[in-house]
Amino acid sequence: GESVGLHLPTLSVQEGDNSIINCAYSNSASDYFIWYKQESGKGPQFIIDIRSNMDKRQGQRVTVLLNKTVKHLSLQIAATQPGDSAVYFCAEKNSGGGADGLTFGKGTHLIIQP
Amino acid sequence: DTGVSQDPRHKITKRGQNVTFRCDPISEHNRLYWYRQTLGQGPEFLTYFQNEAQLEKSRLLSDRFSAERPKGSFSTLEIQRTEQGDSAMYLCASRMGQVSYEQYFGPGTRLTVT
Repeated sequence: GESVGLHLPTLSVQEGDNSIINCAYSNSASDYFIWYKQESGKGPQFIIDIRSNMDKRQGQRVTVLLNKTVKHLSLQIAATQPGDSAVYFCAEKNSGGGADGLTFGKGTHLIIQP
Repeated sequence: DTGVSQDPRHKITKRGQNVTFRCDPISEHNRLYWYRQTLGQGPEFLTYFQNEAQLEKSRLLSDRFSAERPKGSFSTLEIQRTEQGDSAMYLCASRMGQVSYEQYFGPGTRLTVT
């Protein structure tokens, strides 16, 4: 069945360093993945997405890598800033007839050290 | 602010009472989603609408839960005979079908059942 999980619940990095957040998924039929950032007391905020026909996608200071062979994706944040402190979720689009919801992992709490 | 609004932002109710939450999506978005998020977990998909049609329901959506989107615009989520286990953040999201899979989330309604 579908499941999305994260390798680390908490990641602490120095301000200015690069951050890498990892995510594993189990459904080889998944064709769309998305990363969200959630700050305390707020709803999830879109960061970047990627379709399964791509290996890499870049945004502003963020890059998502998709390795379909090992069913793994990662989010790289360049030059981490204090405003990047949040919980980061990966999610995959539900598959199957009529399915359209997202299945989220548990999240990684990114902590920025000054 | 994503443009998705939810009301109320917080609700405290006693066990056994009924509660209703409202979501107003981004006006041109034809798809609307409800999720539940408990502390320390990622959002869990509950149901989604395309216009006024409810097309997918999670097994998490017990008989005590009902959702409507009567005119294809705003949506309501009702929980009857609330239980303490219903305490969670209820998130609404919307997207424009055929354009992007990106879902825009509202700030959520925090439900506490005492």
